[in-house]
Amino acid sequence: GGIITQTPKFLIGQEGQKLTLKCQQNFNHDTMYWYRQDSGKGLRLIYYSITENDLQKGDLSEGYDASREKKSSFSLTVTSAQKNEMAVFLCASSIQTRGQNTLYFGAGTRLSVL
Amino acid sequence: GDSVTQTEGQVALSEEDFLTIHCNYSASGYPALFWYVQYPGEGPQFLFRASRDKEKGSSRGFEATYDKGTTSFHLRKASVQESDSAVYYCALGAYYNQGKLIFGQGTKLSIKP
Repeated sequence: GGIITQTPKFLIGQEGQKLTLKCQQNFNHDTMYWYRQDSGKGLRLIYYSITENDLQKGDLSEGYDASREKKSSFSLTVTSAQKNEMAVFLCASSIQTRGQNTLYFGAGTRLSVL
Repeated sequence: GDSVTQTEGQVALSEEDFLTIHCNYSASGYPALFWYVQYPGEGPQFLFRASRDKEKGSSRGFEATYDKGTTSFHLRKASVQESDSAVYYCALGAYYNQGKLIFGQGTKLSIKP
């Protein structure tokens, strides 16, 4: 088995601040994802990466940047935190990109913006 | 575009009740359908999946049958326990989506002892 580790678990930021969330996986999976979870809205895809140094935008990419410098890690940057924003950011990985594949999730980073 | 709809935002039951959480989808061809479960403070965990019409997926007493005719994948359990309290997500994955899953809004299940 493997594990996905997200750091930090909790992140408190100030309005306008640039914030970075990190994700590491030891599954040796090719594809990694960042989803945002808001109450009542399910999970929405921000960015994904099918291999090292690849980046693909999801439906919610505006206001975010991502970086995949190694196969095992995938970072997400909130470019300018919005006042009173509260959300959970979930990192996931899967074995390949041809669709219909099971995603494995980390425990999430909980963001609060003051 | 593809989409997943979960009818119930919240479900409250007593132990040993029968559970149904409705999931309907809209997509081309034969997408794979998934159920995930999320406990407080954790990420979603894969429960099971199905890829073909009439295929049944199951795990931990939960089951769902892929129905292309009604575009549904409803989650059922015959007798729920307090430990089943969690948020349940239905999701859809298709080969043309490069592995991305599209999730429903989630259903919060609360079980009274």
